[in-house]
Amino acid sequence: SQQGEEDPQALSIQEGENATMNCSYKTSINNLQWYRQNSGRGLVHLILIRSNEREKHSGRLRVTLDTSKKSSSLLITASRAADTASYFCATDQDAGGTSYGKLTFGQGTILTVHP
Amino acid sequence: GAVVSQHPSWVICKSGTSVKIECRSLDFQATTMFWYRQFPKQSLMLMATSNEGSKATYEQGVEKDKFLINHASLTLSTLTVTSAHPEDSSFYICSAGTVQETQYFGPGTRLLVL
Repeated sequence: SQQGEEDPQALSIQEGENATMNCSYKTSINNLQWYRQNSGRGLVHLILIRSNEREKHSGRLRVTLDTSKKSSSLLITASRAADTASYFCATDQDAGGTSYGKLTFGQGTILTVHP
Repeated sequence: GAVVSQHPSWVICKSGTSVKIECRSLDFQATTMFWYRQFPKQSLMLMATSNEGSKATYEQGVEKDKFLINHASLTLSTLTVTSAHPEDSSFYICSAGTVQETQYFGPGTRLLVL
């Protein structure tokens, strides 16, 4: 079952603007990951944030995690047309201290960046 | 980074036939592989977890007799859709993981059942 909910479902912005996507989940997690998927293609891993981390950066990406609110956000700064894709959060649920790597995906946000 | 391949990338078959999809980790050994299904404009749904040398663990609602999974080695897992029907048409994606948490996804296989 899908435990992640993402908003917005779709986001349309102009090149150069920032894009923020949010993800909420329901259970305790080991980590939360963000993925990107271009239309009809496989997934590209963007960033992983562990449950004991609050913020992480990678290039133009900034991810925050609030375990008390069971939510995460992905910020893409200075967006480019090439950032147009679907973005998914995925949680690796806490299975009693053992991580099996089983991911539960959110519904995704479709980002369109207009040149 | 680690590479996971899938074969075939797309397949069209007649209703009632069986289709086998391969998932390979090319430069690392994957103790666990996962199979997902994605319908158009929807998210990924986990179908099953495949561990090398043991039986796959299926998610609730996934028919194990219809979706046969074999994980014969640390670099290969196969998903066979038996007696495929049009409703099985979907995008099937595998991923391979290690105990370090990172998942590496294959490029996906698009199945169309006529």
